[in-house]
Amino acid sequence: EADIYQTPRYLVIGTGKKITLECSQTMGHDKMYWYQQDPGMELHLIHYSYGVNSTEKGDLSSESTVSRIRTEHFPLTLESARPSHTSQYLCASSESRNSPLHFGNGTRLTVT
Amino acid sequence: LAKTTQPISMDSYEGQEVNITCSHNNIATNDYITWYQQFPSQGPRFIIQGYKTKVTNEVASLFIPADRKSSTLSLPRVSLSDTAVYYCLALPNDKIIFGKGTRLHILP
Repeated sequence: EADIYQTPRYLVIGTGKKITLECSQTMGHDKMYWYQQDPGMELHLIHYSYGVNSTEKGDLSSESTVSRIRTEHFPLTLESARPSHTSQYLCASSESRNSPLHFGNGTRLTVT
Repeated sequence: LAKTTQPISMDSYEGQEVNITCSHNNIATNDYITWYQQFPSQGPRFIIQGYKTKVTNEVASLFIPADRKSSTLSLPRVSLSDTAVYYCLALPNDKIIFGKGTRLHILP
């Protein structure tokens, strides 16, 4: 089983707060991804990375930012959270372009 | 970028075999077909991957014809716990887009 961890599992915060969602993997995978998904809806790719110091925006425009300073760590930051950011955020990694993605358990974010 | 098309939803009964077909007309020579399963409030889970002919594991079988323009995920003797969304993707794919998937509902 793949080792990819997301913290926190649940987060409830007020509007205007800065938050960072953590994602770490212990497999040495170069490729990492962030997806956003509302209940019952499809997954939307918001950020991805090919490796250290590489980050790209996905198909869904997002006000969040990401960084990739270490291979194992791919945090996502919202500078000023709003209720529209309420969603589930899923992090994933893969070994290579042909390899399946391994997902974390997600962070369910609620902005009040 | 290979685009995949699958049925939006399917219903079946416990104990039956379920086949979900995915179309990928513009699949590239080096693309692999990969299927995922997702339960509510969880991340997708890898089920099976194949390039051509037939691949089988403990969970499912994957059939890919010679022209590779489609593939079929086969779930033998489904149970209520197989109710989930199933996604078909073509890899390699730098921007891995999942699409809407197929919502499979297993009835008792």
